[in-house]
Parts: sequence; structure tokens; C-alpha cells
Amino acid sequence: AQTVTQSQPEMSVQEAETVTLSCTYDTSENNYYLFWYKQPPSRQMILVIRQEAYKQQNATENRFSVNFQKAAKSFSLKISDSQLGDTAMYFCALDTGNQFYFGTGTSLTVIP
Amino acid sequence: EAGVAQSPRYKIIEKRQSVAFWCNPISGHATLYWYQQILGQGPKLLIQFQNNGVVDDSQLPKDRFSAERLKGVDSTLKIQPAKLEDSAVYLCASSFGGRGEKLFFGSGTQLSVL
Repeated sequence: AQTVTQSQPEMSVQEAETVTLSCTYDTSENNYYLFWYKQPPSRQMILVIRQEAYKQQNATENRFSVNFQKAAKSFSLKISDSQLGDTAMYFCALDTGNQFYFGTGTSLTVIP
Repeated sequence: EAGVAQSPRYKIIEKRQSVAFWCNPISGHATLYWYQQILGQGPKLLIQFQNNGVVDDSQLPKDRFSAERLKGVDSTLKIQPAKLEDSAVYLCASSFGGRGEKLFFGSGTQLSVL
């Protein structure tokens, strides 16, 4: 069975500081993809970053980067220079090619 | 590029009534998904279409939920009769359908069943 676990229901960070959101997953697949999605109060889920499991290099997108540890099945998201617009729910997701599996989310608040 | 369109944005009904949601995916996207997101939880897949065929509906409560995707484009999700526990946000997403493709989401329909 595929599972995605986000153990931090809520987090906060001061504006301009750095924060790391945790995600662990479990799958028996060898070829899969991992995603972080952001869901602001508008409810529309927006892709933050994507990682291919067969690539060892960690993905980066501007202020967003991941720490992908395949052996440990860990996929954390680091947000640098946090901005007020980063306040949102963040969901970790696993794509095995058959289905997307989402975690329960982490609510991030950026404090001015 | 137009995004995934969903309507209505909000819906309030009484239990045992019926309700329908509509989704128009991004043009050219072969795969369409309906997710249920209960407050405080992550999205749960209800049904996945590839063009106008069903790929996965294993978590769809078929005694009350139904969905169709006409001509492989628009889709409707129906609940009849609704229960209190159906209160949730219903998200539609689409993608080109390839392995590892990102999903594009609509803004969802927030359903309240009283």
C-alpha cells in the first residue's frame, strides 16, 4: 500500500526566514514521482516543486528546494526567504503512475 | 491558457437532496480526476477518467455518487441522495496523462450538507 505522511499539522515562520516541511512516504514502486502542492485560501492547488525518484539531484525552484532521501523515503520542502504570500496549506504527494496519493497537509503561516 | 473550470463554487443542500458539480478541464488534457477533500484532510481520489473511460473508481461510493465525462471533455459528478458526511470540497484536476505529469486543479466546489 502507498502512504504519504506529513507529521507537522501546523507550522509558522517569520518573514524572510527559512522553514522546512517534512514528508515521508512508502511505496513498493521503483519508479515514481514526488510533488509538493500549495493550497491557499482560494482552494486552488498549485504545484510548487516536482522530483523524479530516479534522479539523485534535489529539485529546486527559486526559493523552494527539496531534500530527497530515497533510501529513507523522505521528501522535505525547504522555503527560503519566506514571504507573506507563502501562507497556505502544503501537501506532499506521491505519483506511482497509477494514482496520486496526498498527505494530510501542513498549514504554514508566515508572520510579518 | 485557460485553467480548469469548476462550478458552482459553493453549494448548500439538505440531506437526502441531490447535487451536481461540473468541471471543464484544460484543453487537450486526456486525464481528469475528481477528488474529495474533507476539512483538515488531504484530497482523496473519487474517480479518474482517461478520455471518456474510467481508469479508477475504487473509492467512489457508487450507491450515491456517479460521474461521467461526455466526449472525453467536460465532466459532471453527482451525489444522490446526499448525506451529512458528504460535506467537503470537491476538486477537479486534469493532466496530459503521462506518468509523472503534474496535475492542474480547479478552485473546487465547497459543499455543505445540512
